[in-house]
Amino acid sequence: ENVLTQSPATLSLSPGERATLSCRASQSVFTSLAWYQQKPGQAPRLLIYDASNRAAGVPARFSGSGSGTDFTLTISSLEPEDFAVYYCQQRSNWRVTFGPGTKVDIK
Amino acid sequence: QVQLQESGPGLVKPSETLSLTCSVSGYSISSGFYWGWIRQPPGKGLEWIGNIFHSGSTYYNPSLKSRVTISVDTSKNHFSLRLSSVTAADTAVYYCAKVGRDDGGIDYFDYWGQGTLVTVSS
Repeated sequence: ENVLTQSPATLSLSPGERATLSCRASQSVFTSLAWYQQKPGQAPRLLIYDASNRAAGVPARFSGSGSGTDFTLTISSLEPEDFAVYYCQQRSNWRVTFGPGTKVDIK
Repeated sequence: QVQLQESGPGLVKPSETLSLTCSVSGYSISSGFYWGWIRQPPGKGLEWIGNIFHSGSTYYNPSLKSRVTISVDTSKNHFSLRLSSVTAADTAVYYCAKVGRDDGGIDYFDYWGQGTLVTVSS
């Protein structure tokens, strides 16, 4: 099983600050990595797919990078609505796994 | 706009079978894409359960495979989940979702249902 780890577990920042979230895979997933945002009581929302492609309707302040085993989600300037939990997801060996999540909360 | 809606009992007894249905609107399942189930225990992370194509082709999470059956009914434009021999550890919000790319069974999910909480308790 390809295990995903996310760091930090919690990121405390202020609106307007830059957020950098990390996702690391135990085996290479090439660029088969997606990022989701989840707010309390809501379903996850796709932000990034194939490591760096923004999904439809996702603001440009969200960007993804990386390949192989190390990936980054960057939020260039946090808006009030960006405080949420972020999950990465990989597909390899005919299965899907999610990371444990990073909570971005208000400092 | 694709919309998905989960339905089914919110309470299931231990050792029984959990059954949920995902109704799809705005897109015909027969036209393509894989469709999946994901769950999230209260306060915890996401766990993929499995995906299905309109032909009935499936992919399952190996850790759940012995207890899971996903099926599709194209005439009703819905797909279903059955999870047998449930325990309290199966208590979770269950989501159905659409796979984002029509060239394989395992990929990211671009449309999600709102989720339904299923509690396993006697």
